[in-house]
Amino acid sequence: KNEVEQSPQNLTAQEGEFITINCSYSVGISALHWLQQHPGGGIVSLFMLSSGKKKHGRLIATINIQEKHSSLHITASHPRDSAVYICAVMKTSGSRLTFGEGTQLTVNP
Amino acid sequence: EPEVTQTPSHQVTQMGQEVILRCVPISNHLYFYWYRQILGQKVEFLVSFYNNEISEKSEIFDDQFSVERPDGSNFTLKIRSTKLEDSAMYFCASSTLETSFAYNEQFFGPGTRLTVL
Repeated sequence: KNEVEQSPQNLTAQEGEFITINCSYSVGISALHWLQQHPGGGIVSLFMLSSGKKKHGRLIATINIQEKHSSLHITASHPRDSAVYICAVMKTSGSRLTFGEGTQLTVNP
Repeated sequence: EPEVTQTPSHQVTQMGQEVILRCVPISNHLYFYWYRQILGQKVEFLVSFYNNEISEKSEIFDDQFSVERPDGSNFTLKIRSTKLEDSAMYFCASSTLETSFAYNEQFFGPGTRLTVL
């Protein structure tokens, strides 16, 4: 079983919709990353969080350490948000990242 | 804004050949990482490097792989004898050193796409 599970695998939305991507993990962690991967393959770090909530523009990330769950929300989605969103955790045992499978988001105009 | 850079962006090689992938981490960062992503699969950890030595490596990182920091700026990944299954996107990442790993956000380079024929 994967240590990091994301849902949904694929998500299609209309422009303006509120988007939620979920991440559950089964290991002890010191931090969790949300990453964005563009069609060309490049990876951009969106958030790193170890507790609570962070907000950057239209993006909000939350984490519940007790429930081992994190969510990434996108408000007022736009076609340029179309990308793969990846959850990755840093286990307490080291600094390596363990990745989820990613969520392919498509936002239609 | 400082960023991690990688060269080349795309490398095509014949099976059995040696390849060296290059990365220039962010200048004040002290932890360096290599990850890879086979097409259609998730990103996987290969190796981490700190203080001129490997600090962690995965089961993928066998004797065919090596890493080096040959000077103050470059961080390289060498694959001695490439196999077809080494075809993947290879990402370099770097982070600062804080007292707790929880603050070591990793910043990724744009990747090198390696194609082994």
